[in-house]
Amino acid sequence: AQSVTQPDIHITVSEGASLELRCNYSYGATPYLFWYVQSPGQGLQLLLKYFSGDTLVQGIKGFEAEFKRSQSSFNLRKPSVHWSDAAEYFCAVGAESGYALNFGKGTSLLVTP
Amino acid sequence: ETGVTQTPRHLVMGMTNKKSLKCEQHLGHNAMYWYKQSAKKPLELMFVYNFKEQTENNSVPSRFSPECPNSSHLFLHLHTLQPEDSALYLCASSQKGGKVTDTQYFGPGTRLTVL
Repeated sequence: AQSVTQPDIHITVSEGASLELRCNYSYGATPYLFWYVQSPGQGLQLLLKYFSGDTLVQGIKGFEAEFKRSQSSFNLRKPSVHWSDAAEYFCAVGAESGYALNFGKGTSLLVTP
Repeated sequence: ETGVTQTPRHLVMGMTNKKSLKCEQHLGHNAMYWYKQSAKKPLELMFVYNFKEQTENNSVPSRFSPECPNSSHLFLHLHTLQPEDSALYLCASSQKGGKVTDTQYFGPGTRLTVL
């Protein structure tokens, strides 16, 4: 079965600084990987996804993620964080044949002035 | 209305009550999902409906009863809940057959508190 670990529960960055959120997955085959963001009082919104091909994936809102099979990682990055990026970020993994996404516990991002 | 809507946004109920959560999607999608989001736990998939047919029941207790009368509406009927069922219940929809490759669009959720 697939599983996801997000090692950081909380992360604080200054506005304008770069950001990297970590995600490690466990899955025997090629995983389908996703990053979602949840703003307070809102549902989850898809930032980006990786199924195959180029291992550097571009998403919305200036985010990108890199799939590294050797490290079983799919870390999310943004070169310059804005205050509006403060939210909860979830990494998820799925199998091609399945319906379910397995989510990590999430990383809460705080952006300071 | 656009996207995925959920009502009510907040619900407080006693353990002996019966209530229902409603989800409606305005995206023309064919698959709908219920998720449970508890504090400090990963998002848990509860049910999947694909073209109104239930295709996944993730070992959910029978006190949760889903209903999908059409591709646009999804209900979660609740009865004799426990305090540990307090959580944010999220509804989502996707275009095709409910496969993970389909982008899921989430509603804002219903915050449920069981007393």
